[in-house]
Amino acid sequence: SAVISQKPSRDICQRGTSLTIQCQVDSQVTMMFWYRQQPGQSLTLIATANQGSEATYESGFVIDKFPISRPNLTFSTLTVSNMSPEDSSIYLCSASGRGNEQFFGPGTRLTVL
Amino acid sequence: GNSVTQMEGPVTLSEEAFLTINCTYTATGYPSLFWYVQYPGEGLQLLLKATKADDKGSNKGFEATYRKETTSFHLEKGSVQVSDSAVYFCALSDSSASKIIFGSGTRLSIRP
Repeated sequence: SAVISQKPSRDICQRGTSLTIQCQVDSQVTMMFWYRQQPGQSLTLIATANQGSEATYESGFVIDKFPISRPNLTFSTLTVSNMSPEDSSIYLCSASGRGNEQFFGPGTRLTVL
Repeated sequence: GNSVTQMEGPVTLSEEAFLTINCTYTATGYPSLFWYVQYPGEGLQLLLKATKADDKGSNKGFEATYRKETTSFHLEKGSVQVSDSAVYFCALSDSSASKIIFGSGTRLSIRP
């Protein structure tokens, strides 16, 4: 299984600012994913990030709001742009395993004031 | 489309009680099925998985059997502990899409 770390673990931000979340995997992986988990809710997939190509966004999520980078096979970033209080959530990254499972990072807890 | 329906929570049990959390799915083809667990303040951990019909996934005393005829993947544990208090997510993966679809989650609380 892959070990995944995220930075920062939590942050409190002012509305209108942007935050970049980093995700590091301890091995090379083909696919990485970014999810949002609103308080008390399940996970919602934001986008799939493949190395060497643009991220694929799910319905309701756009690149201008959530730009993603995937510069190599072990690293990805998600930026939450022009934040509002509605963006307050836990943001999780994950990486694909060999058997269609995904391994998750610890999450970034974001509060927007 | 593919979907996962799991038992509404919260579920509260006494220590050493028997646990069942129901999960049913809708999918085309032959998805892989998973149970993930999220402990307070943490990310998701893969608890167990099954990749084909009649497979039984097991880990830490938890079990779930892939039942294609009933499209179910119920999570069971014979004797729960306080440390099992967490949110449990049933999920499926369609190999063609490489995406995982999660159920709504079931919050489990175990009383000493």
